[in-house]
Amino acid sequence: NAGVMQNPRHLVRRRGQEARLRCSPMKGHSHVYWYRQLPEEGLKFMVYLQKENIIDESGMPKERFSAEFPKEGPSILRIQQVVRGDSAAYFCASSPIRTGPVSHEQYFGPGTRLTVT
Amino acid sequence: AQTVTQSQPEMSVQEAETVTLSCTYDTSESDYYLFWYKQPPSRQMILVIRQEAYKQQNATENRFSVNFQKAAKSFSLKISDSQLGDAAMYFCAYRSRGETSGSRLTFGEGTQLTVNP
Repeated sequence: NAGVMQNPRHLVRRRGQEARLRCSPMKGHSHVYWYRQLPEEGLKFMVYLQKENIIDESGMPKERFSAEFPKEGPSILRIQQVVRGDSAAYFCASSPIRTGPVSHEQYFGPGTRLTVT
Repeated sequence: AQTVTQSQPEMSVQEAETVTLSCTYDTSESDYYLFWYKQPPSRQMILVIRQEAYKQQNATENRFSVNFQKAAKSFSLKISDSQLGDAAMYFCAYRSRGETSGSRLTFGEGTQLTVNP
């Protein structure tokens, strides 16, 4: 059973360009979580999605950032008009069910390292 | 909002010896989960150990054990018989049991562990 897949692993964008980060959850997982890790910091929650629904986006910046998890295909984190401060590692995690009431683990992908020049 | 604090940015230990990493957290909730994650240079997030707040018994996984002090809101990780492969960044994390709030992990800033041969 393949783990959580993220691509690309490394992404370089110039200021003002768009960045699209992809996450394929583990087989059978319908819940996806995105986290951001700025240099020298811990991971910060961004958004939680189920298929075709955004459940919790309390950690998403209000502008330029969006996320989706369509019925078919990977989850996408999209950053428009990137700035240098967006340079970070972006991690995706998945779980088979909602993790709140139960102790189920979130399984992490290897991350995408975004560099904005 | 919950916060997680790791007061030791860096720790070192001699191979085969024991080291303890500290973590404190702040919450008004009575039921929650606590985790320790390991992030080696590959940046992959690996779950080391998990503790459910309603369980008084401290969790143990092979050479890894925790000291969970609920009243003090303290959750330290002890690594026994340290190995070179234990060298990594270690993150303490909190997760609520709420339906939606339980979707997000709140991480500390991390402790960089060095293992000296």
